[in-house]
Amino acid sequence: DAGVIQSPRHEVTEMGQEVTLRCKPISGHDYLFWYRQTMMRGLELLIYFNNNVPIDDSGMPEDRFSAKMPNASFSTLKIQPSEPRDSAVYFCASSFRTSGGNEQFFGPGTRLTVL
Amino acid sequence: SQKIEQNSEALNIQEGKTATLTCNYTNYSPAYLQWYRQDPGRGPVFLLLIRENEKEKRKERLKVTFDTTLKQSLFHITASQPADSATYLCALAQTGRRALTFGSGTRLQVQP
Repeated sequence: DAGVIQSPRHEVTEMGQEVTLRCKPISGHDYLFWYRQTMMRGLELLIYFNNNVPIDDSGMPEDRFSAKMPNASFSTLKIQPSEPRDSAVYFCASSFRTSGGNEQFFGPGTRLTVL
Repeated sequence: SQKIEQNSEALNIQEGKTATLTCNYTNYSPAYLQWYRQDPGRGPVFLLLIRENEKEKRKERLKVTFDTTLKQSLFHITASQPADSATYLCALAQTGRRALTFGSGTRLQVQP
């Protein structure tokens, strides 16, 4: 398996533009997580899905952020309009439900820079 | 408020020594705790999971302890190697939730 795949790896955009980040989870995993990492705030959970259904979006900073999971193999995180303070590394992770806990497999991340 | 605290200062040790990293938490009732390793420019990689009813877990040169009374986990790397240099993150999952909350991480530097 190729692991969690994210695209693009790097994105540079100007303030006000729409940004779409993409994620393909590991096949067979039923949980998908979106995180954001910055030096100031560390690794923060934005939203997570179970079987393509959003379960907890309390970490989504504001209405400019939206996430979808139209099927088990694809998810998007959209920022519209983008602002400089959205600059961060965005990670997608997936896991398979187990009785004891969920080891999460992270993608390589998308480094977003908003000018 | 809920907090997960890891030593923000880098830990520098000599090769061959044991590295010990600390994770303290407040206002959590974690079902389990996980440790991840993160290298620069990469996503975190899972290392170990320990459940609330377990005191200690080992995997090769790694050992994790979990004290729910002290609200603390210790992460040990024995016979450390320069290749162990990375940032180590602890993460908690509240009982009944799948979401993880991560600490800010501790950077470990192993000197040859």
